[in-house]
Amino acid sequence: DAKTTQPPSMDCAEGRAANLPCNHSTISGNEYVYWYRQIHSQGPQYIIHGLKNNETNEMASLIITEDRKSSTLILPHATLRDTAVYYCIVRAQWGANSKLTFGKGITLSVRP
Amino acid sequence: IAGITQAPTSQILAAGRRMTLRCTQDMRHNAMYWYRQDLGLGLRLIHYSNTAGTTGKGEVPDGYSVSRANTDDFPLTLASAVPSQTSVYFCASSPTGGDGYTFGSGTRLTVV
Repeated sequence: DAKTTQPPSMDCAEGRAANLPCNHSTISGNEYVYWYRQIHSQGPQYIIHGLKNNETNEMASLIITEDRKSSTLILPHATLRDTAVYYCIVRAQWGANSKLTFGKGITLSVRP
Repeated sequence: IAGITQAPTSQILAAGRRMTLRCTQDMRHNAMYWYRQDLGLGLRLIHYSNTAGTTGKGEVPDGYSVSRANTDDFPLTLASAVPSQTSVYFCASSPTGGDGYTFGSGTRLTVV
């Protein structure tokens, strides 16, 4: 069963922020929110993860709602190279639910 | 450059033949994984290994076997290939715990 729900696709203009939503209403207390992306024909690439606090790294920011039932990945200045499928995944860091299970993801198209 | 090396990058294989896909990592990660990716079905876990000497079954293990003789190598074997095993295969690794997975570039396998 899918533990996350993402829209199938979205687009944004180059240079603008891309805000990718994800719903995970059944997330458990020990599960983290992970984001990966897959650029065409390449292996998936880790972006960021978080538990309940907002996180930021050189690639993106992750905003998790206070109830942890949804999150948003923010690419602050999208470029054409950010066109990819983005996967939102919830997983525990240990135990039976610690495997990375991919859904369909959201296809982000960055337009010039 | 640290990372995961998969070989071959692509292969056309006759049905019924035996094939081993190779995966080597140089990051000293404890855990390794094999996924297959098919159009419309996304990435699905075939087998995994939490540490050298141990393996486990993922979502779609039938027709595949793995071994983990050491930390660095995690080969995937198709004992008798069938056309339904035509897919792109990705190997991944992660440190023990919740850090992000690192994926290889994939092996595109066509069984005819």
